[in-house]
Amino acid sequence: DPKIIQKPKYLVAVTGSEKILICEQYLGHNAMYWYRQSAKKPLEFMFSYSYQKLMDNQTASSRFQPQSSKKNHLDLQITALKPDDSATYFCASSQEKTGGPYNYAEQFFGPGTRLTVL
Amino acid sequence: AQKVTQTQTSISVMEKTTVTMDCVYETQDSSYFLFWYKQTASGEIVFLIRQDSYKKENATVGHYSLNFQKPKSSIGLIITATQIEDSAVYFCAMREASSGSWQLIFGSGTQLTVMP
Repeated sequence: DPKIIQKPKYLVAVTGSEKILICEQYLGHNAMYWYRQSAKKPLEFMFSYSYQKLMDNQTASSRFQPQSSKKNHLDLQITALKPDDSATYFCASSQEKTGGPYNYAEQFFGPGTRLTVL
Repeated sequence: AQKVTQTQTSISVMEKTTVTMDCVYETQDSSYFLFWYKQTASGEIVFLIRQDSYKKENATVGHYSLNFQKPKSSIGLIITATQIEDSAVYFCAMREASSGSWQLIFGSGTQLTVMP
């Protein structure tokens, strides 16, 4: 059974519209992330969440908003879509140890959502 | 500034041989974590192996091993007895311990083709 589920697998949107990308993880992890991979750039970190709280945001645009309704869910809402937003969006998760940064965990990735904006 | 560089864009090897993929990183942090992932043709990203900067011993998992040269800020991935199914894009990534960021910084990847 897949441990990290992303929906949909493919998504086509028109410029100016809004879409929500879904991510659920069943690894029991306490941290979740969003990354973007486009043809022009390597994997880029967007957000990290832990226990439904935003830990880190490296996305310059407010058009990208993460939403966490449950601790194993981290959706990504994208508004006012632009053709440059076309990319594959990957959700990831990890089990971080509390009490200090010196044992960061590896992150596990979902299958991705390929978004095309026309 | 933190940065991860993979200069080899593609490598081709014969099946059952050994291949090394290079990765150099830049960081001001004294503690950091290095990871290797592979991305298959289907797009799946799979974690392979990690090296923690404070560990002197090179990590080994199955037929993957690392060549960690801390003075050179280098972390090479070695795959022994390569198989056709090892064909994929391999990414090196880094996470700093004290930057306050939870992000992985990825290199641009190396395409490995294993030929029969």
